[in-house]
Formats: sequence, structure tokens, C-alpha cells
Amino acid sequence: QKEVEQNSGPLSVPEGAIASLNCTYSDRGSQSFFWYRQYSGKSPELIMSIYSNGDKEDGRFTAQLNKASQYVSLLTRDSQPSDSATYLCASYTGFQKLVFGTGTRLLVSP
Amino acid sequence: GAVVSQHPSRVICKSGTSVKIECRSLDFQATTMFWYRQFPKQSLMLMATSNEGSKATYEQGVEKDKFLINHASLTLSTLTVTSAHPEDSSFYICSARYRGLTNTEAFFGQGTRLTVV
Repeated sequence: QKEVEQNSGPLSVPEGAIASLNCTYSDRGSQSFFWYRQYSGKSPELIMSIYSNGDKEDGRFTAQLNKASQYVSLLTRDSQPSDSATYLCASYTGFQKLVFGTGTRLLVSP
Repeated sequence: GAVVSQHPSRVICKSGTSVKIECRSLDFQATTMFWYRQFPKQSLMLMATSNEGSKATYEQGVEKDKFLINHASLTLSTLTVTSAHPEDSSFYICSARYRGLTNTEAFFGQGTRLTVV
């Protein structure tokens, strides 16, 4: 079982809609979770970090963490074509290694 | 956010030669740096974790004698691909974490696209 799992997509949404990206993790000891965005040919950039159960909002983004279900999600409101990218979920393992899911490709159509 | 600079951004080398990639944290000290490799349309694969002043911890299947990592200071880690072969062609990315903090976000360099011919 992979440590962090994501649906590869693509997830297609129209401009202005809410995009919902999901991630599950296997290590119950994981304490911190991150969402990165990666454009083709570029390195990942940090969007959000979340450490506690519940929701965390930052601008158009909301991260949600449910440790009981081992589930992390990222909601993007008012999606724009410029949001089209691959979104990577990441977490630290018990050995302090930062590992990534396979990423979900998001396509926002005008 | 913190700035991590990776150099070079692109390199083409001949098979059998060695290539050194530098990763610098410009405005913070990084005890820990991570090195990843990414093949086209695939996710980031962790190669090794580099800790300042100690030996790197390599992931299973990553040859430590081929991918030499040196983390000599709190702001610089280097990855040397020795005796490079075409199958080593990939996108190599480093990331760095603030000194003294665990389980916190890591910031990425721009990546190095290595092509071995």
C-alpha cells in the first residue's frame, strides 16, 4: 500500500466552479499534510499546509483534514484556467521522510 | 515563502561523465534537504534525505555510490550523478526545510533537467 494515494484524474471543471481534490494516507502517525501545485515542466509550489482536524482556509483554497478517516482534501473555489495543473498531496512518514502521492491533474475549462 | 535555489536548471552531458547539482537555501538555514527524481507524467520519487553534517539516508533501490549527496553546510546540499547513463535522464528536484523544525513544509528548488546522451 502506498503511503499517500490520490486519484490521477484528470478532474475537469468549468471556470468558476469548485474543484475538489482528495487524498488518503496510510500512516496513522502522520501529523502534517501539504498540498503542492505543479505546472508542467516546473517544480512544485506549496499551496497549503494543514496539521489539525477540520478546515483551513486561505484565499480561494480550503484544506480539510480528517485523521480518523485518514483523509485530506483540497477545495478550490472559483476555479480559473490558470489553476490547471497537477496537485500533489504530501505527508511525512514516521521516519521524517516527505513523501508524495501520484498527483491529480486538474483541468479548468473557460 | 522561503527561497531555494537549484543550479543548473538544465544540463546535457555525455554518457560516462559526472554531473553535480547544487541546492541552496537563500534566506534560511536548512538542516534537512530532500532530493527527488521525477520521470515524465509521474510523481516525485524520494531518492534521499540529506542532513547537514551527517551521511544522507537513501531510499531503497537508490544507489548511494552513483548518487553522491553532500550536505556540508546549513544552506547547501549537492547531488552528484556519477558515471551518468541515458537512463539517468530525468528531472531532479531538491527541497529544504527550516532548521530545527520537523513535520513542516518543505520548499522546492526550480529543478534540474538532466539529459544524458
